[in-house]
Amino acid sequence: DAGVTQSPTHLIKTRGQQVTLRCSPKSGHDTVSWYQQALGQGPQFIFQYYEEEERQRGNFPDRFSGHQFPNYSSELNVNALLLGDSALYLCASTAGGRIGETQYFGPGTRLLVL
Amino acid sequence: DQQVKQNSPSLSVQEGRISILNCDYTNSMFDYFLWYKKYPAEGPTFLISISSIKDKNEDGRFTVFLNKSAKHLSLHIVPSQPGDSAVYFCAASARYSNYQLIWGAGTKLIIKP
Repeated sequence: DAGVTQSPTHLIKTRGQQVTLRCSPKSGHDTVSWYQQALGQGPQFIFQYYEEEERQRGNFPDRFSGHQFPNYSSELNVNALLLGDSALYLCASTAGGRIGETQYFGPGTRLLVL
Repeated sequence: DQQVKQNSPSLSVQEGRISILNCDYTNSMFDYFLWYKKYPAEGPTFLISISSIKDKNEDGRFTVFLNKSAKHLSLHIVPSQPGDSAVYFCAASARYSNYQLIWGAGTKLIIKP
């Protein structure tokens, strides 16, 4: 039973560029949440996708957008990258759409913006 | 404005002894709390949770205590084992925000042999 997978594992971009990160949820899960974890901090909720729609959003600008596909996989897009976007981006999946308990996390994508 | 605080960046404990990790919160609307554990190069793993209607929840070697009046929770690990060495995150959520998780900055637990 595959857990949550994310790609790529690492990424280096320059300021102003755009990036797309990918996530496949755990088998049987239909809800995907994205988090940003800056160095030395806890994860911060970006948004959640359920039934191919953004259902809830944290305090992130519109430069952060996403998508969920019919197979429940998801993408996180960040436009006009800033140095401060350098972080570990975590994807978490769950079933039934509730954000709280027992989210299963992927290993993350580490993004470095130069 | 940090709503969830873990004031100890790191903690070192002898193998076999008790590890106590602390977490404070400021939002009185939080009604569900969770602890996650994270190894390097892996995503966080759910460990244990507690609802605000309880003051204690136990699962094997792990016990979480909640003191609502003090807005404080703690995770006890007894006995501590080498495999417990990891970063531990406290997270809080509230029904009014659809249980969106607010995370602390984490405490790195080191178990010494």
